[in-house]
Amino acid sequence: SQTIHQWPATLVQPVGSPLSLECTVEGTSNPNLYWYRQAAGRGLQLLFYSVGIGQISSEVPQNLSASRPQDRQFILSSKKLLLSDSGFYLCAWSTRLTEAFFGQGTRLTVV
Amino acid sequence: KNQVEQSPQSLIILEGKNCTLQCNYTVSPFSNLRWYKQDTGRGPVSLTIMTFSENTKSNGRYTATLDADTKQSSLHITASQLSDSASYICVVSGGTGGFKTIFGAGTRLFVKA
Repeated sequence: SQTIHQWPATLVQPVGSPLSLECTVEGTSNPNLYWYRQAAGRGLQLLFYSVGIGQISSEVPQNLSASRPQDRQFILSSKKLLLSDSGFYLCAWSTRLTEAFFGQGTRLTVV
Repeated sequence: KNQVEQSPQSLIILEGKNCTLQCNYTVSPFSNLRWYKQDTGRGPVSLTIMTFSENTKSNGRYTATLDADTKQSSLHITASQLSDSASYICVVSGGTGGFKTIFGAGTRLFVKA
């Protein structure tokens, strides 16, 4: 069966510090991978998606970047966090349009 | 512009009662519509998936309907339980020029004893 791992679950970081959130998928090959952000009380916003190793598409300009060094690994990064980067970050994977599976999320608080 | 709008924004019901959540969309061309349940601080979990040819689908006490002509969907919850308290998110995929997945802002459901 397929599983998705996302860590850490919670993170408190000072403004200006770097960020690295990691997501890995097991039990499938060549998945589409996604990073979403959810601000408090708001809907999900797609940040990045990847259809293959080294292929990253950005949906909105921001202070974040994404990388896919391996087929089932997706990393969300920042060189210098801003207060506005606080939120709930979700990784997801899919192999077709009709389904998407989400990780448990990372609660990021920038202080 | 591709959009997904959900209503109501929030809803409070008593345990055991039924409720219906609404989702209107303008995504075109349409590929599929999904309803997710998201517990606070957790990732969304899929409840139902419907394509153009399907107009109703059930998953236990959850029943989703789809009217592709009017571009409306509803999620009906029967005999609500305290554990149904969560956000319910409508997600529509489709759009021109490649696939797009648009998330609604969700309906926050509170079930009280």
